Formats: sequence, structure tokens, C-alpha cells
Amino acid sequence: GESVGLHLPTLSVQEGDNSIINCAYSNSASDYFIWYKQESGKGPQFIIDIRSNMDKRQGQRVTVLLNKTVKHLSLQIAATQPGDSAVYFCAEKTSGYGGATNKLIFGTGTLLAVQP
Amino acid sequence: NAGVTQTPKFQVLKTGQSMTLQCAQDMNHNSMYWYRQDPGMGLRLIYYSASEGTTDKGEVPNGYNVSRLNKREFSLRLESAAPSQTSVYFCASSRTGSDQPQHFGDGTRLSIL
Repeated sequence: GESVGLHLPTLSVQEGDNSIINCAYSNSASDYFIWYKQESGKGPQFIIDIRSNMDKRQGQRVTVLLNKTVKHLSLQIAATQPGDSAVYFCAEKTSGYGGATNKLIFGTGTLLAVQP
Repeated sequence: NAGVTQTPKFQVLKTGQSMTLQCAQDMNHNSMYWYRQDPGMGLRLIYYSASEGTTDKGEVPNGYNVSRLNKREFSLRLESAAPSQTSVYFCASSRTGSDQPQHFGDGTRLSIL
């Protein structure tokens, strides 16, 4: 899960296993969520998004689940590969921010380490 | 596709020096953003521009100024750099409208001595 500490939580998985990365978001009014992947020395890369009127959305090898009751978001990666090793973090948009700017609140991330 | 391009990639400044970080996007996005990323913290919004000709403060604007030069370019200026501004700076852009993901550049790593 996410942490505001100096050390990122780490999820270590074997190549080929499925990975589940969790995120607890802060605002019950948030209505749009995004998962990003950040490799060392690179910028955040968009993976998948989900709106609050959905509870599941699938992409290529990834699935995002949204549980609004407990304000929880998860990212599932199927058949994890070494190239999936990175920091993953979620972002939420609160409708109260308003406007066309899509101001986001970002989590601190989870480090996914894939063991060959 | 280049996406969002930031220059420079690395920079070292002395306290009190000024610096402009450049950002350009080729996705025809209306909205652009500047963030800073520090260890143990999520990305924090410095300034954003909803469209060409407009800019607004984000969460941590003190010590920074921005210019939306045209639809493609959005620059961030440090007028008098301070050690507390040592960080990795990311520019992002998105389409106008609700529920649009932001797309990021690869950042500028800035150290202020």
C-alpha cells in the first residue's frame, strides 16, 4: 500500500506471478483515478484510469479495481515481467477542485521489484 | 512521438541564481502543469495553465513564476534559487475537460548549493 514515509513500501514478486498494488485514497468526493508507473530517472507514465461510476476496468495485462466504500484502489498486473519493475502510484481527482484543469492528488508510491 | 519534452535534464545552481526550466508538448493539449517531486512525498503542483493565456497557483507556488508562452510551451522560473528548491521538476499536459489523464515529461533534476 501507499505510505507517506521516507521509505517506499516494496512489493517483491517472482517473474510470471500476478502483482497487486494497493492505494488508499483520501477524499470520498474523488471521482476519477489514475495509476502511473515511474521507472528510475523517468517521468510518470500513464497506465490506466477509472471513473467513480465503475468498479473495475481492464487494460492490457492490467486491471484496476475501485472500492468506494472503503476508499481503496488496486492495480493488478498479470504475469509480471522484469520490465514491470518500477514505482507505481495512484492519483485521485476530487470533483471539488473543479474546472477543466484536472488537478490531481498523488500518492507516494509502491516499489514493485520483479525477481527473475 | 516526443510527447512532453523538458530541458535541461540536469542543472546545478548556487543559492540566489536564477533559472528557467523549459517544457514543450506536441499533443495539442490545452492544459499544462508544473510539479515537484521530493523523496517520501507525492508529486506537488506548483502552477498550472488551463489554457493558453491563463496561469494559476497550485499547492506550492512560492519562489516560482511561470509563463505560458503559447499552446505548446510552459516555462517555470526560479528568480532566486534556494536550497529548499532542490528537487526533481516535472511538466505535464492534458486535454481540456473532466477526467483526462496528465502526461509527463522525464523531468529536470535541479540541485541548489
